[in-house]
Parts: sequence; C-alpha cells; structure tokens
Amino acid sequence: AQSVTQPDIHITVSEGASLELRCNYSYGATPYLFWYVQSPGQGLQLLLKYFSGDTLVQGIKGFEAEFKRSQSSFNLRKPSVHWSDAAEYFCAVGVYNTDKLIFGTGTRLQVFP
Amino acid sequence: GAGVSQTPSNKVTEKGKYVELRCDPISGHTALYWYRQSLGQGPEFLIYFQGTGAADDSGLPNDRFFAVRPEGSVSTLKIQRTERGDSAVYLCASSFGVRRSGGTGELFFGEGSRLTVL
Repeated sequence: AQSVTQPDIHITVSEGASLELRCNYSYGATPYLFWYVQSPGQGLQLLLKYFSGDTLVQGIKGFEAEFKRSQSSFNLRKPSVHWSDAAEYFCAVGVYNTDKLIFGTGTRLQVFP
Repeated sequence: GAGVSQTPSNKVTEKGKYVELRCDPISGHTALYWYRQSLGQGPEFLIYFQGTGAADDSGLPNDRFFAVRPEGSVSTLKIQRTERGDSAVYLCASSFGVRRSGGTGELFFGEGSRLTVL
C-alpha cells in the first residue's frame, strides 16, 4: 500500500537560512507527488507537484523539490527562508488509478528572525 | 466565490447529535473531495465525487458518515450519532477533474470545518 513518511515533526530555522524538508514515499510505480503548505486559519495550498519528466520541480514562493527514485524521496528545499514561510508542510502521494492523495503527518516549520 | 467555501467554520456539538457540514466548491470544478484532519495528523481521505456520484467512498470510517452532492456542485457531509472521536477538522477540496480523465490532479482546499464533539 502507498504511504508517505515525513521524519521531521518540527523544524526551526533562522530567517535567511536554507531549508530542506524530508519526504519518503512507498509506492510500486512512478508516483504522483505533491507538497502542500498549510498556514494557520488557511486551507492547504499546493506548492509544487511531480508527475513525470524533469526530477527537479519548481514551485511557488521560491520552493523546489527533487524526486529521487533510488531513495524514494521527494524533499522540499528553499535556499533562503522568510519569516512568512512559517507553516505546516505536507507531502502527499497520489494513489494509483484514483485521485486520492495520501498525506504524510506534516512538518511544522518555525522561523526565527 | 473564488475559492472553496466551507460552512460552518466551527461546530461544537454533544455526543450523539447529528451534524451536517457543507462544502461549496470552485465554480466549474467537477470533482469534490472530503478529507478529515485530526490533531497532529495529515489529512485523511474520506470520499470523493465526480459529478453527482460518489466515485470512491472507501475512506468513510463507518455507516454513521454519509455525503451527498445532489446537483454536482455543493456537497454535504453528514455525521449521525456523533462520537468524541469524530472531533477533527473536516476539509473539502475540489478540482477540474480526475487525473484519469485528463485532470491535473491538483486539489484546491477550503479552510475546513472544525468539529468538536463534547
């Protein structure tokens, strides 16, 4: 069965520092992968997605993610974090032949000035 | 409206009561999804509609949960005989269409309805 693991529950970084949020998935074929962000009082917003092709995908707000099949990973990165990036980040995998998404448990990002 | 609208934003009820949660998707979106997010967890799939029919309801936890989308737009999630374990944020999302039929698979989420069962 498909699953998603986000090993880091909570990450704290200083503003301006680089960021990498980890995501590992379990899936039998080429996965559809997504990163969503959830800010307090707001709905989940799609940051980026990977369906096929170039394994480095660019998203909104300066985020990017790299699909590594050999490591079953889809880590999210940002070179310089802004205080407004503080939020909860969810990695998700699309279930084969359906439109369901399986989400990880999320990583809460805290940004210090 | 421009986004997915969910009402009520907050609902407090007593154990055993009946609850309805409403979702108004983005205009033109044919697919609609319900997810449940418990504290400290990621969203968990409940059901999705393609048009008026429930294409997949495998995530509904038991027969106390039911959802409808009679005209292919607004959907209502209904919970009978609520239990304390039903307390969660119920998220609705919509999309242009399912991936299998050419949709992008991108879901647009509402802000959720927070349900508290006392």
